[in-house]
Amino acid sequence: AQTVTQSQPEMSVQEAETVTLSCTYDTSESDYYLFWYKQPPSRQMILVIRQEAYKQQNATENRFSVNFQKAAKSFSLKISDSQLGDAAMYFCAYRTSGSRLTFGEGTQLTVNP
Amino acid sequence: ETGVTQTPRHLVMGMTNKKSLKCEQHLGHNAMYWYKQSAKKPLELMFVYSLEERVENNSVPSRFSPECPNSSHLFLHLHTLQPEDSALYLCASSQGLAQGSPLHFGNGTRLTVT
Repeated sequence: AQTVTQSQPEMSVQEAETVTLSCTYDTSESDYYLFWYKQPPSRQMILVIRQEAYKQQNATENRFSVNFQKAAKSFSLKISDSQLGDAAMYFCAYRTSGSRLTFGEGTQLTVNP
Repeated sequence: ETGVTQTPRHLVMGMTNKKSLKCEQHLGHNAMYWYKQSAKKPLELMFVYSLEERVENNSVPSRFSPECPNSSHLFLHLHTLQPEDSALYLCASSQGLAQGSPLHFGNGTRLTVT
C-alpha cells in the first residue's frame, strides 16, 4: 500500500526564521510526483510546491524549497523567512499514474510574531 | 468567479434528510474529485470523474451518490447519513489524471449530521 507519513503533528517557528517540515512515503513505483499543500483557516487546499521523482534537482518556489531524497523516500519542505500568513496545516501528498492522490495526516504550523 | 466553488459552505442535516453538495470549477479542467476530510485523519478520496465518467469509486457507502452532469459541475447527493459522516467535504479539479497534474481545491462544505 502507498502511504505518506508526516511525523510532526505540530510545529512552530518565529517570524522571519526558517522551519522544515518532514515527510516520508512508501512506494514501489519509480515514476511519481510529490506535492506539498497548505490549508489555512479558509479551508482551501493550496498547492505550495511539487517535485517529479525523476528530477534530481530540488524544486523551489520563492521562500519554499524541498529536500527530496529519493533513495530514502523523504520529501521535506523548508520555509525560509517565515511569515504570519504561512500559518496553516501543511499536507504532503504523493501521486503515481492514475487518479489517486495520497495525503499524509498533516502538520499544523504556527508562526509566532 | 475563478477557481473551484463549493456550496453550501456549512450544512447541518438530520439522518433522515436528503441534501446535495455542489461543486463548480471555472478552470477548464476535465477531471473532478470528491474528498472527505475528518479530524486527525488523512484526506480520503471518495470519487473521481474524468470527462464526466466515474473512474474511481473508493468503496464509499451508497448513501453518498455522486453526479457529474458536465465537466464543470459535480454534485454529491446525501441520503440517510450517519453521525460519523460529519466531516469537511472537499471538491477538486485537475486537467487530466496524469500524476503531474496538480489538484485545485474548493473551500469545502462543513457537514454536520445530527
